[in-house]
Amino acid sequence: EPEVTQTPSHQVTQMGQEVILRCVPISNHLYFYWYRQILGQKVEFLVSFYNNEISEKSEIFDDQFSVERPDGSNFTLKIRSTKLEDSAMYFCASSDRDTVSYEQYFGPGTRLTVT
Amino acid sequence: DAKTTQPPSMDCAEGRAANLPCNHSTISGNEYVYWYRQIHSQGPQYIIHGLKNNETNEMASLIITEDRKSSTLILPHATLRDTAVYYCIVPRSISNFGNEKLTFGTGTRLTIIP
Repeated sequence: EPEVTQTPSHQVTQMGQEVILRCVPISNHLYFYWYRQILGQKVEFLVSFYNNEISEKSEIFDDQFSVERPDGSNFTLKIRSTKLEDSAMYFCASSDRDTVSYEQYFGPGTRLTVT
Repeated sequence: DAKTTQPPSMDCAEGRAANLPCNHSTISGNEYVYWYRQIHSQGPQYIIHGLKNNETNEMASLIITEDRKSSTLILPHATLRDTAVYYCIVPRSISNFGNEKLTFGTGTRLTIIP
């Protein structure tokens, strides 16, 4: 069964450093998302992406964040200058336009720890 | 998104049916009910969705009341691997097909007891 994959599984970085989180969505999916979950808190939407542009973004997704689909398979989330409060699990998700749009498939997540 | 209310936690004996309720009294006529679950720190997993008819798939059944103000997710024979947080989500009506965010609440923490 196709699945969303994410790398790395755990990333430790120092405050102020740039990080890139990588995702490989399910191959025939066209809609891509990033969510995050701070430890013990709710899963929060960050951004959705379709046709090589951002469709929607939350208040969390400020100028420090960017997303890119550099090739036909990868979908990346970049944080330019990490802060302590960026420590969280980051989940990538994808969905297929041929299914009802809220049926999203999530990856296993990347645990980002900012020290 | 329509507001949903779920009990914070539930226990269920292994092998029994787990019935997870959700209230969504402000749901609109064309809004679907979605269920996801999250097994400890893993990515959320889609389970099932429905509009007004009962639905069943290989994972679960979804019973939606006739007035659509509440629903119940049923795991027919719960196993230890079903221990997870279960989220009932009623997203806003689809405007841009295939492009809508999910808003997760706190869900129901279901513990399957051996």
